[in-house]
Amino acid sequence: KNQVEQSPQSLIILEGKNCTLQCNYTVSPFSNLRWYKQDTGRGPVSLTIMTFSENTKSNGRYTATLDADTKQSSLHITASQLSDSASYICVVSAREYGNKLVFGAGTILRVKS
Amino acid sequence: EAQVTQNPRYLITVTGKKLTVTCSQNMNHEYMSWYRQDPGLGLRQIYYSMNVEVTDKGDVPEGYKVSRKEKRNFPLILESPSPNQTSLYFCASSDPGETQYFGPGTRLLVL
Repeated sequence: KNQVEQSPQSLIILEGKNCTLQCNYTVSPFSNLRWYKQDTGRGPVSLTIMTFSENTKSNGRYTATLDADTKQSSLHITASQLSDSASYICVVSAREYGNKLVFGAGTILRVKS
Repeated sequence: EAQVTQNPRYLITVTGKKLTVTCSQNMNHEYMSWYRQDPGLGLRQIYYSMNVEVTDKGDVPEGYKVSRKEKRNFPLILESPSPNQTSLYFCASSDPGETQYFGPGTRLLVL
């Protein structure tokens, strides 16, 4: 069964600190892996999208990594800000199902001052 | 401005009263999709459409209908809403295989 699991479920960090969110998936073969940021009560917004041949992709203070062999991805946030408080969702596109998207449940990040 | 719009944003209704949530995108995207989001479960796909007049069931289609008569619009129809359809609903659009753009969400309460 195609699954995407994220850890931790929730995380609290101090402003200015770094953090790393994890995403493990069983989707195979896959087309791409995406990270989204979702502010409370709003729609998800894309942070990064990576194909299986890409190992890392950055978007400002957000850096996503991908290890297609171990089926793991991480999202690293550098020098966190209060505005980083949100849910971060890992999404994997399943190639053999017409690029159907498989969503993780998300990691809720809270940045405290 | 490129965007996906949904209406209404908030809706309280009663069991059995038919309702429609509209979704419109101005990016000429072929692919559109509806999701529901419930606490602890993440986003689950209800229906999707690869192009005009082409729709397919997602993971949780029961109790919902959709139509795609025009490229820009993809309404979600609840013929006879039930309390278990109380949820936060998102519409999204994209070019095939590309980043999805999500609408602002519709919060539905069915009494």
